Amino acid sequence: GENVEQHPSTLSVQEGDSAVIKCTYSDSASNYFPWYKQELGKRPQLIIDIRSNVGEKKDQRIAVTLNKTAKHFSLHITETQPEDSAVYFCAASSWGAQKLVFGQGTRLTINP
Amino acid sequence: GAVVSQHPSRVICKSGTSVKIECRSLDFQATTMFWYRQFPKQSLMLMATSNEGSKATYEQGVEKDKFLINHASLTLSTLTVTSAHPEDSSFYICSARGQGRSEAFFGQGTRLTVV
Repeated sequence: GENVEQHPSTLSVQEGDSAVIKCTYSDSASNYFPWYKQELGKRPQLIIDIRSNVGEKKDQRIAVTLNKTAKHFSLHITETQPEDSAVYFCAASSWGAQKLVFGQGTRLTINP
Repeated sequence: GAVVSQHPSRVICKSGTSVKIECRSLDFQATTMFWYRQFPKQSLMLMATSNEGSKATYEQGVEKDKFLINHASLTLSTLTVTSAHPEDSSFYICSARGQGRSEAFFGQGTRLTVV
C-alpha cells in the first residue's frame, strides 16, 4: 500500500521568511496530493491540492510542486505570518484506492 | 469548501459504556466517509472507510466489533465505540468525500474521554 513520508517534523522560521515542507510517496499510482493545515484542537483544513497532471500550483502565498518521477511533492509558504503557525499534513491517494494516506505532520512555528 | 459537521465535540463516558459519534455532510452527498483517530501531536490514523449502503472497510489492527461504523445515508455516518475503555480515549475525526471528487473535508472532531 501507499506510504507517505514527511519532513521535517518541526520547522521554525522568522516571520516574513519562506517555509518548505517535503513529502515523498511510494505508490506510483497515486494521482492526488492535498495539503492540510491543522490548528491546535481544530479540524484539518484543506489549503491546497495538486493532481498528477500538473507540476506546480499556486494560491497567493502558498504553492505546491510535484515531481512524479522522483515521487515527491512539496509545500512552499512565502512571506510567512504568525497565523501560519500550525501543523501541516501532506497526503496522497489514487482514485482506485479511495483513501488518503497522511504524512506524519510538520509543526510549523513562525517567530515574530 | 464543503461543510462536514461532527457531533458531539466532546464526550466523557464511563468505562464499559458505548458512545456514538455522528458525522454529517451538510451541503453535499458524501458517498465515502473516513474515520480517523488522532493521538496528541501525532498524525491521522485511518480506522475505516465507509461507502454509503455498504459495510465499512477496516484498516489492519482496528477491531470492527469494537468500532461499529454505519453509513446508512449519503449525508450521515456514525461511529460507535462499544464497551469503551480508558485506552480508547482519543480524538476521533471523520472526513467525507463526494461522488467523483478527490477532495475530502473534515468534521471538527470528537474528544472522547473514558473514565
